[in-house]
Amino acid sequence: EAQVTQNPRYLITVTGKKLTVTCSQNMNHEYMSWYRQDPGLGLRQIYYSMNVEVTDKGDVPEGYKVSRKEKRNFPLILESPSPNQTSLYFCASSREGFSYEQYFGPGTRLTVT
Amino acid sequence: SQKIEQNSEALNIQEGKTATLTCNYTNYSPAYLQWYRQDPGRGPVFLLLIRENEKEKRKERLKVTFDTTLKQSLFHITASQPADSATYLCALRRAGGFKTIFGAGTRLFVKA
Repeated sequence: EAQVTQNPRYLITVTGKKLTVTCSQNMNHEYMSWYRQDPGLGLRQIYYSMNVEVTDKGDVPEGYKVSRKEKRNFPLILESPSPNQTSLYFCASSREGFSYEQYFGPGTRLTVT
Repeated sequence: SQKIEQNSEALNIQEGKTATLTCNYTNYSPAYLQWYRQDPGRGPVFLLLIRENEKEKRKERLKVTFDTTLKQSLFHITASQPADSATYLCALRRAGGFKTIFGAGTRLFVKA
């Protein structure tokens, strides 16, 4: 089954404690992206990757890091989480040059206290 | 700055009627406009894509229009059903670009 998986699905952590949210897709997609979703603000792009070792900033990259060492994986790293990073996070992937349809993961709900 | 606006107020309609949702944008020249459906607690699901040189696209009960002069897209669901109740998001992307901008979404409620 074609899918995007994220782990963990729920996470409560404390300010400053480094964390990683994993994202993996099994569709051999070139393009992967991270979004955060907050009430009233919709989905905002954090980082995206056009292929292995190629990443770029979205609209809200501050406080986040990413890496793309393998085509299927695109982890999101919060080196020093702060309460304003409490949000619902989605990973997505798509095949370039076609419908650009993005397949989204199930989401990770992060709470930073 | 680039901005996408969707009706922040929820849209309530009766089953069987046509639902029309609006997506307006400013300071942007998208090559592609997409519509997604999102159910509570789930990730968005792709519905339709329309390109800048297309005026209209249809898929079953769904119809999307794209007016680059007005900088507006309309999303129609005909013969709406309670199962169509969800939040609908529009998303824009430039030709050759990789950034995607989403609207905040419009919540649709279809009453039986």
